[in-house]
Amino acid sequence: EPEVTQTPSHQVTQMGQEVILRCVPISNHLYFYWYRQILGQKVEFLVSFYNNEISEKSEIFDDQFSVERPDGSNFTLKIRSTKLEDSAMYFCASSEAPGTSEFFGPGTRLTVL
Amino acid sequence: EDQVTQSPEALRLQEGESSSLNCSYTVSGLRGLFWYRQDPGKGPEFLFTLYSAGEEKEKERLKATLTKKESFLHITAPKPEDSATYLCAVQAAGYGGATNKLIFGTGTLLAVQP
Repeated sequence: EPEVTQTPSHQVTQMGQEVILRCVPISNHLYFYWYRQILGQKVEFLVSFYNNEISEKSEIFDDQFSVERPDGSNFTLKIRSTKLEDSAMYFCASSEAPGTSEFFGPGTRLTVL
Repeated sequence: EDQVTQSPEALRLQEGESSSLNCSYTVSGLRGLFWYRQDPGKGPEFLFTLYSAGEEKEKERLKATLTKKESFLHITAPKPEDSATYLCAVQAAGYGGATNKLIFGTGTLLAVQP
């Protein structure tokens, strides 16, 4: 069964460093998303991406964040100048079309020290 | 403001003891309501999508229903392996056009004891 994959599973970084989280969405899906979940809190939407551009972003997704689809399979989230409060699980998701089911990856646990 | 509230926060059942989880929502036009299962340290696992009031979906011991203000996830004769956090999320039609983002509730932590 097709699934969303994410690497790495755990990333530890120093405050102020840049990190890139990687995702491979399900191959026939056209819409891609990043969400995050701070420990003990709700899953929060960060950004959606379609046709090589951002289609929607939340207030959390400021200039510190960027997304890219560098090739036909990968989808990345870059976090510049990481802060302690960026520590969270980051989930990638994909869907065939708007309004259809979003399938999530296993997540990357980001720890900022 | 679009909002999702789930209750109870936690639920402990004996194996075989059926129950229901509630998800109430306030949204500017519902595009879809989604149920997910989340195990500790893992990503949400898709269960159901419901689009209109009166719709029902079933999968093994789970059945999801939808009204204009809330959704229920009914668990019939649960087993210990059903223990997880169950998340409800909505996607809004929106005033300025449809949105693709999911708005999640805080989830219900279900523990099924043998």
